Amino acid sequence: EDKVVQSPLSLVVHEGDTVTLNCSYEVTNFRSLLWYKQEKKAPTFLFMLTSSGIEKKSGRLSSILDKKELFSILNITATQTGDSAVYLCAGGWVNAGNMLTFGGGTRLMVKP
Amino acid sequence: NAGVTQTPKFQVLKTGQSMTLQCAQDMNHNSMYWYRQDPGMGLRLIYYSASEGTTDKGEVPNGYNVSRLNKREFSLRLESAAPSQTSVYFCASSEGLGFDEQFFGPGTRLTVL
Repeated sequence: EDKVVQSPLSLVVHEGDTVTLNCSYEVTNFRSLLWYKQEKKAPTFLFMLTSSGIEKKSGRLSSILDKKELFSILNITATQTGDSAVYLCAGGWVNAGNMLTFGGGTRLMVKP
Repeated sequence: NAGVTQTPKFQVLKTGQSMTLQCAQDMNHNSMYWYRQDPGMGLRLIYYSASEGTTDKGEVPNGYNVSRLNKREFSLRLESAAPSQTSVYFCASSEGLGFDEQFFGPGTRLTVL
């Protein structure tokens, strides 16, 4: 069964800290690993990593994919209170439906 | 360009009542999805539609039915609501295959008493 596990479940840091969020996956036919940020409502897309793109960066956020060890990390540097959210990781598999399987999320709180 | 829209935003039902959640997208996407989100469990796929006229079960389809009315609209129906269906429901769409970026609607918070 395809599975995505995120750690830690929750994290509290202070503004300016650097955080690392983890995502491990078990896959049958891996195609992609996606990161989303969810504040109060809908998840919003951050990054997609595939075999042809194992490292992505946007401003203070960056992500890498290790296909050999089957994990991904999301780094946030110089955290701000606006980074407080639930961060979701999802694995994309090729199967009968080509679906995303989501992890349980990491809740990040950034204190001033 | 509204993206993905969902109605209603909130709903309270009694056990055994039925209702339909509506979803529409204006991005001309081929694929659409219905997820439920329970505390600490991330998003779980209920049903999806890879293209107009097709629907398939996801991880947790029991107690639900769907209709892909046309390319824009994908509805989710609860025929006889149960307290276990209390959740936040998200609709999403993607241009192509399901393992690409999906765009999410604002969600419907459903409570079944």
